[in-house]
Amino acid sequence: GQQLNQSPQSMFIQEGEDVSMNCTSSSIFNTWLWYKQDPGEGPVLLIALYKAGELTSNGRLTAQFGITRKDSFLNISASIPSDVGIYFCAGLPNLNAGGTSYGKLTFGQGTILTVHP
Amino acid sequence: EAQVTQNPRYLITVTGKKLTVTCSQNMNHEYMSWYRQDPGLGLRQIYYSMNVEVTDKGDVPEGYKVSRKEKRNFPLILESPSPNQTSLYFCASSLRRGGKNEQFFGPGTRLTVL
Repeated sequence: GQQLNQSPQSMFIQEGEDVSMNCTSSSIFNTWLWYKQDPGEGPVLLIALYKAGELTSNGRLTAQFGITRKDSFLNISASIPSDVGIYFCAGLPNLNAGGTSYGKLTFGQGTILTVHP
Repeated sequence: EAQVTQNPRYLITVTGKKLTVTCSQNMNHEYMSWYRQDPGLGLRQIYYSMNVEVTDKGDVPEGYKVSRKEKRNFPLILESPSPNQTSLYFCASSLRRGGKNEQFFGPGTRLTVL
């Protein structure tokens, strides 16, 4: 199946610092989603991106859909302790295309974020 | 409250004993999907369903079955569980309108196969 490479695998930062993480793909996606997972819970959608070059913010979070459609970035500004968790990128191919990739969401391996007060 | 529910939340079973994990959503979503989460591998899609009676394999379907007889339910069936199916399982659903597929996840089911 398609592969998403997410980096870094983990980050240890001080409260107040900015955070950046990214995902790259070997193939084109038409949708990029960023999720956060807290311990013992399911992933929660943070930001959805649908157009190449799109830059979208959600509070202190900003995500971008890469121009090549093969990558996406998530930035967290002025981190706080509750930002701790695992962040996942996910990509979806063209929903209007047929074939076996239709409807298949592919996830990155996740970035574990630790914020020290 | 709009939500995806899974049952059971925790299950310990033995090799070969058939089990079903239920998933239900109350948002009238067409699309539903099952994932497993393993350390270092992220979430991998097992099966998904575009609508009632329409299902398709994800990336890791071996050893699993699903059915979609009604819109709100999408059970995951392990006919003969094996220890390598010990994992954390998530069900998700989405509306799929206008080119969007923003999936909402359930709370997870932690399965241990001895």
